[in-house]
Amino acid sequence: DGGITQSPKYLFRKEGQNVTLSCEQNLNHDAMYWYRQDPGQGLRLIYYSQIVNDFQKGDIAEGYSVSREKKESFPLTVTSAQKNPTAFYLCASSIQHRSSYNEQFFGPGTRLTVL
Amino acid sequence: GDSVTQMEGPVTLSEEAFLTINCTYTATGYPSLFWYVQYPGEGLQLLLKATKADDKGSNKGFEATYRKETTSFHLEKGSVQVSDSAVYFCALTDGSSNTGKLIFGQGTTLQVKP
Repeated sequence: DGGITQSPKYLFRKEGQNVTLSCEQNLNHDAMYWYRQDPGQGLRLIYYSQIVNDFQKGDIAEGYSVSREKKESFPLTVTSAQKNPTAFYLCASSIQHRSSYNEQFFGPGTRLTVL
Repeated sequence: GDSVTQMEGPVTLSEEAFLTINCTYTATGYPSLFWYVQYPGEGLQLLLKATKADDKGSNKGFEATYRKETTSFHLEKGSVQVSDSAVYFCALTDGSSNTGKLIFGQGTTLQVKP
């Protein structure tokens, strides 16, 4: 079955440590996205990528970094510079980045907790 | 910039009641509109979409009509079930920046009691 996988489902990190969240898709989608979700709020875009080796900052990119070395993979690193990293992180992908008609498909999410 | 506003929750209904979750938007251009559903501890699933004015999206008994004159995309269901309990997000494509990214409302929690 095609889909998006995120791992791990739960992640705990000590303050001052970097941590990398995995996102893999086998849908052959061009575009991939990372969102952050906090309780009672909608999703906020962290980074997005429309092609391999290219990505752009979203609305809340500070303290995060990404890479897109392969079409199917878009890992997100939460660095120690992120002031409040505890949140639910969602990865998504879509067929064509610049089309307004193509919906995004979401992974199951990773819940990051900073201890 | 573009934005989405949803009615605040939680919305609490009895099983078989009629559901309406209001969604209004501000946008430049001609965005596509979406409703996503999120069950506890999971990612978002696309529920329905509409790509132009007067389009009606429908799925699993839910429906919403793209109303350009009132800039609305209200979600409705004639008879809710306990299994519909979830958080519902209204979203639109960001037409002002032409990036294809989605702009989400804050989400509305629906609780259906037996």
